Amino acid sequence: EIVLTQSPGTLSLSPGERATLSCRASQSVSSSYLAWYQQKPGQAPRLLIYGASSRATGIPDRFSGSGSGTDFTLTISRLEPEDFAVYYCQQYGSSPRATFGQGTRLEIK
Amino acid sequence: QVQLVESGGGLVKPGGSLRLSCAASGFTFSDYYMSWIRQAPGKGLEWVSYISSSGSTIYYADSVKGRFTISRDNAKNSLYLQMNSLRAEDTAVYYCARDGQSGWYQDYWGQGTLVTVSS
Repeated sequence: EIVLTQSPGTLSLSPGERATLSCRASQSVSSSYLAWYQQKPGQAPRLLIYGASSRATGIPDRFSGSGSGTDFTLTISRLEPEDFAVYYCQQYGSSPRATFGQGTRLEIK
Repeated sequence: QVQLVESGGGLVKPGGSLRLSCAASGFTFSDYYMSWIRQAPGKGLEWVSYISSSGSTIYYADSVKGRFTISRDNAKNSLYLQMNSLRAEDTAVYYCARDGQSGWYQDYWGQGTLVTVSS
């Protein structure tokens, strides 16, 4: 099973700043089958990025994903107040299991 | 617009059973793989099971294999999760989700239904 480790656990930033979230896999993620989700309190997760770098429908272009192999990054270029949430990475290339990282909490500084 | 609405959660004793349902609308249900994903209180996300569009391919997480059964009724645009031999560690919000067309990520999620296993 591929284990995903996200860092940092908590990231404290101010609106307008740039956020960089990391997701490292215990083994190579095939075909860059990596996704990112955003979850706000009391809500379901929302898909942001799939295929490591493709934005989902309706996702603002301040969100971008990059990486391959075992190292992946979610970047939020300029934080808006509504971006403060928990972010999860997910690999879905290792059938039959999709696994999630433990999450990064992005909080207002 | 895509809508997924779960129901069937509640309080159940250890060893008991529960059946979750997910009503889908706003898309051609029979064209998509579907998944169940859960989240224990205050914890992260755990993929539970998925089922192919026709229902012919099914996978389970090791933690629920042999106890949970996923199924679907394409005529009713509905997804199900039969949960037997429930344990305290199955306590979680259970989300129904649609799998993406280019991979097994989840592009739409329901609001979730809470399952509490406690005596």
